[in-house]
Amino acid sequence: KNEVEQSPQNLTAQEGEFITINCSYSVGISALHWLQQHPGGGIVSLFMLSSGKKKHGRLIATINIQEKHSSLHITASHPRDSAVYICASEGGSEKLVFGKGTKLTVNP
Amino acid sequence: NAGVTQTPKFQVLKTGQSMTLQCAQDMNHEYMSWYRQDPGMGLRLIHYSVGAGITDQGEVPNGYNVSRSTTEDFPLRLLSAAPSQTSVYFCASSRQGGPVQETQYFGPGTRLLVL
Repeated sequence: KNEVEQSPQNLTAQEGEFITINCSYSVGISALHWLQQHPGGGIVSLFMLSSGKKKHGRLIATINIQEKHSSLHITASHPRDSAVYICASEGGSEKLVFGKGTKLTVNP
Repeated sequence: NAGVTQTPKFQVLKTGQSMTLQCAQDMNHEYMSWYRQDPGMGLRLIHYSVGAGITDQGEVPNGYNVSRSTTEDFPLRLLSAAPSQTSVYFCASSRQGGPVQETQYFGPGTRLLVL
């Protein structure tokens, strides 16, 4: 069974700081997902990646297949980036296994 | 498009009562799933469906039933509510490839409290 671990569990930053959230998984996968859960509870998909790097605005996701590790970076963080960030990877046929999430708070 | 909709937003039940959580999507997605989210735990899969008429169990199916009579709707039934089913429930949908290979779209969630 694939195990997904995220670190840190909680992260507090000052506006403008560079943020890194880490995700490791135990079993080889074909795709890894990063999601964002807003303070109001809604969940949106940020990235799906199987190799290399993807960028969307100030968010960058990278994955190292050999090391079974992915990172989510936020450049020039802003208070509106405050949310829970969730990593998910393949957990068997057509299913995802989710990490417990990293709660990010960005202070002005 | 409304995307994925869920009703109700919030519900209080007494132990032993039954209810149905509604989920609908208007994106013509084949794959739909129900998750529960509990404090300190990741999202856990309850049941999923790869198309109308086809459902299967996820990680935590006990106490829940589902059916998929149309592509659009995927209701989740609690047969006899228990306090352990107090949670936030999310419905999600994705295209035919499923949530591993395709982007998953989530509903706004239903917060359920069982007394």
